[in-house]
Amino acid sequence: GDSVTQMEGPVTLSEEAFLTINCTYTATGYPSLFWYVQYPGEGLQLLLKATKADDKGSNKGFEATYRKETTSFHLEKGSVQVSDSAVYFCALSSSRNQFYFGTGTSLTVIP
Amino acid sequence: EAQVTQNPRYLITVTGKKLTVTCSQNMNHEYMSWYRQDPGLGLRQIYYSMNVEVTDKGDVPEGYKVSRKEKRNFPLILESPSPNQTSLYFCASSLVPPGVAGTDTQYFGPGTRLTVL
Repeated sequence: GDSVTQMEGPVTLSEEAFLTINCTYTATGYPSLFWYVQYPGEGLQLLLKATKADDKGSNKGFEATYRKETTSFHLEKGSVQVSDSAVYFCALSSSRNQFYFGTGTSLTVIP
Repeated sequence: EAQVTQNPRYLITVTGKKLTVTCSQNMNHEYMSWYRQDPGLGLRQIYYSMNVEVTDKGDVPEGYKVSRKEKRNFPLILESPSPNQTSLYFCASSLVPPGVAGTDTQYFGPGTRLTVL
């Protein structure tokens, strides 16, 4: 079945460091891919998305490219800030109208 | 303000005592969904609804029921809660189902933390 595998955390980085969180997926058909962010005590918010192969989603300095050949959607940011500390979830929407999330990666950015 | 609301936000109950968690959205969204979030497991979809009177099982539907009598409301019902249903629950909605026409951003409620003793 469809699934998302996400890099284990937690991840701790210094401010202005480069961030990569790996995400790979298994799906039939052509899913849309998403990154959601969850700040402490809150629900999830959409960070970025891509709906077809080679699309690049971007928002707030974060980027991810939909790579069909490697079934990946890695999240990157060139220079993280303390305010980026949160839990990040990779997700896909399946052809069966369902949604699948990865297990989440906790990021802590220290000044 | 466009939002998804859930009630209650926190609930402690005992095994076997029926409960309902309400979810409401004010965005005229067709698609609504319930998830549970557990440490190390991420979010798992319990049930979803494509529109009024149309519901379907997600990955972990056992022990849960839902109904969609009105477009804005999608309550989650636990007829006989058990301790393994202790979790953080999220309701979400989107204009159209996931993957349709690229306009399927889900909006999440603030969550309901349920403890079943």
